[in-house]
Amino acid sequence: QKEVEQNSGPLSVPEGAIASLNCTYSDRVSQSFFWYRQYSGKSPELIMSIYSNGDKEDGRFTAQLNKASQYVSLLIRDSQPSDSATYLCAVNRWTGANNLFFGTGTRLTVIP
Amino acid sequence: SAVISQKPSRDICQRGTSLTIQCQVDSQVTMMFWYRQQPGQSLTLIATANQGSEATYESGFVIDKFPISRPNLTFSTLTVSNMSPEDSSIYLCSVEVVAGGPAAYNEQFFGPGTRLTVL
Repeated sequence: QKEVEQNSGPLSVPEGAIASLNCTYSDRVSQSFFWYRQYSGKSPELIMSIYSNGDKEDGRFTAQLNKASQYVSLLIRDSQPSDSATYLCAVNRWTGANNLFFGTGTRLTVIP
Repeated sequence: SAVISQKPSRDICQRGTSLTIQCQVDSQVTMMFWYRQQPGQSLTLIATANQGSEATYESGFVIDKFPISRPNLTFSTLTVSNMSPEDSSIYLCSVEVVAGGPAAYNEQFFGPGTRLTVL
């Protein structure tokens, strides 16, 4: 079983719709969860972090965490063409350092 | 966050040669990491660059192939040694920034990456 699993997509949504990205993880003791956005040819950019069960909102982005189900999601409201990118889910594991394990990413396309 | 630069941004190298990648951050950070992102794949952690001591390597990565230096709290280098075409990848450094709360909550920010092609 992979440490972090995501649907690779591609996920296509029309402009203005809600995009829903999902991630599951295997290590029950993970404490922190991150969403990165990566545009083609660019490096990952941190957009959300979440540590507690429930929802965390930041502008058009909402991260949701359910530790019992080992599930993290990212909702993007009012999707824009500029949101078209690959979204990477990352989960920490403490090994003396705060190491992150990444999913393979979900490619999102927002259709104008 | 932090401002991170990497040099070179890209390079094309011959098989059997070595390339050293530099990572510079604009503020002192305790933790720096090196990742690899192979074409069409996600990020894989190579090692944690420890200041003043040997780097900590992940399974599948060894010091002879990927020697790392960390002379101070703002700078690190990764060398890809005796390269083969399988080493063609994007190499990324990241730094950890304290977010408040437990250390597990600290956030990582990435440099722009070095795109390496080995012929």
